[in-house]
Amino acid sequence: GQNIDQPTEMTATEGAIVQINCTYQTSGFNGLFWYQQHAGEAPTFLSYNVLDGLEEKGRFSSFLSRSKGYSYLLLKELQMKDSASYLCGTTSGTYKYIFGTGTRLKVLA
Amino acid sequence: SAVISQKPSRDICQRGTSLTIQCQVDSQVTMMFWYRQQPGQSLTLIATANQGSEATYESGFVIDKFPISRPNLTFSTLTVSNMSPEDSSIYLCSVTDNSNQPQHFGDGTRLSIL
Repeated sequence: GQNIDQPTEMTATEGAIVQINCTYQTSGFNGLFWYQQHAGEAPTFLSYNVLDGLEEKGRFSSFLSRSKGYSYLLLKELQMKDSASYLCGTTSGTYKYIFGTGTRLKVLA
Repeated sequence: SAVISQKPSRDICQRGTSLTIQCQVDSQVTMMFWYRQQPGQSLTLIATANQGSEATYESGFVIDKFPISRPNLTFSTLTVSNMSPEDSSIYLCSVTDNSNQPQHFGDGTRLSIL
């Protein structure tokens, strides 16, 4: 079957670092995406990993291990505006996109 | 990235009626998708809108309930037919040019059925 798991909720303090994990089991794999979604808004693209390793983009980094079916999104120097849901999603080569249920991150002052 | 305009942004409808949601992109795109997102839930793919042919529906979604049009490479519509309160949700269109590229989402249509 096809499945993506990520924690439902996480809480962290402003200025801290938080790691949001995602594990996946999919038939066919052509990359893993992370999206940020603020309440009441559309998802916005954060990162895309297709090869193993770490991709860094400012305060956000994303890691992928294809052999383990595992990814994480690392957020550094947390800001209040980072409070949002973070969606992990995968794509196969046939335009099959699957998203996890999302991790609601609360950043506390 | 493509600029996506989705209309209406929200609507309140009566049970049994139908609503058509429009998705307009400022450039030609290969793939257009329609998603549903219920409160506190993740994205559920309804169908892939194929230009010039019938949409490809996911399990649990049927053409009679969610007819989709895609007359060209920049425009698509999703109709939610014979609405019931269970159809209250956010409906999102998204676009991409290939499966190695991220999808970009419209702002969504917040639909409430009374």
